[in-house]
Amino acid sequence: GENVEQHPSTLSVQEGDSAVIKCTYSDSASNYFPWYKQELGKRPQLIIDIRSNVGEKKDQRIAVTLNKTAKHFSLHITETQPEDSAVYFCAARKAGGGNKLTFGTGTQLKVEL
Amino acid sequence: NAGVTQTPKFRVLKTGQSMTLLCAQDMNHEYMYWYRQDPGMGLRLIHYSVGEGTTAKGEVPDGYNVSRLKKQNFLLGLESAAPSQTSVYFCASSYLGLGEAFFGQGTRLTVV
Repeated sequence: GENVEQHPSTLSVQEGDSAVIKCTYSDSASNYFPWYKQELGKRPQLIIDIRSNVGEKKDQRIAVTLNKTAKHFSLHITETQPEDSAVYFCAARKAGGGNKLTFGTGTQLKVEL
Repeated sequence: NAGVTQTPKFRVLKTGQSMTLLCAQDMNHEYMYWYRQDPGMGLRLIHYSVGEGTTAKGEVPDGYNVSRLKKQNFLLGLESAAPSQTSVYFCASSYLGLGEAFFGQGTRLTVV
């Protein structure tokens, strides 16, 4: 089955700096890669996603890049703010078999003032 | 529009007891999923359903059973709880498994 590795497990940045979280996946048939943000005690919520026919997608301060050849994708957050502090999960999905999402192990992002 | 709602939010069980977690969605989604979340391990899929009356095993199905008698509801059962099942459980649904998966608020279960 699919395996998704996520790094780093913790990331501390100063407010206003950029943050980058990286994920690799194992199954070349995966074609959908979402990123979820989970605040403490809350449910995971989708912040951005990318499909395999696109190399990059941006939404304000958040961007995701995908390298299908290397089977890795990254989340980029610019001009970080304290409210960006949360756990971020990457995931990968391929069509069929319930279209299941396989998640990475998460990155605890802390934005310090 | 409530989205995905889980019941209960918190529960403490003794080893060997049984319980059922209820997930209800009002978005008319076909696909529903049960995940467990443990520190440092992300979200792992327990069971899933691709429609009313269907269920299938995920990555970590042992010790759990599920049922999907109605399209809007997906039940997760623990027949004989064990301390290893202490976790936060999340239900999710999506339209035909495509696009965004919407999560419930989670159930924190402690087995003592």
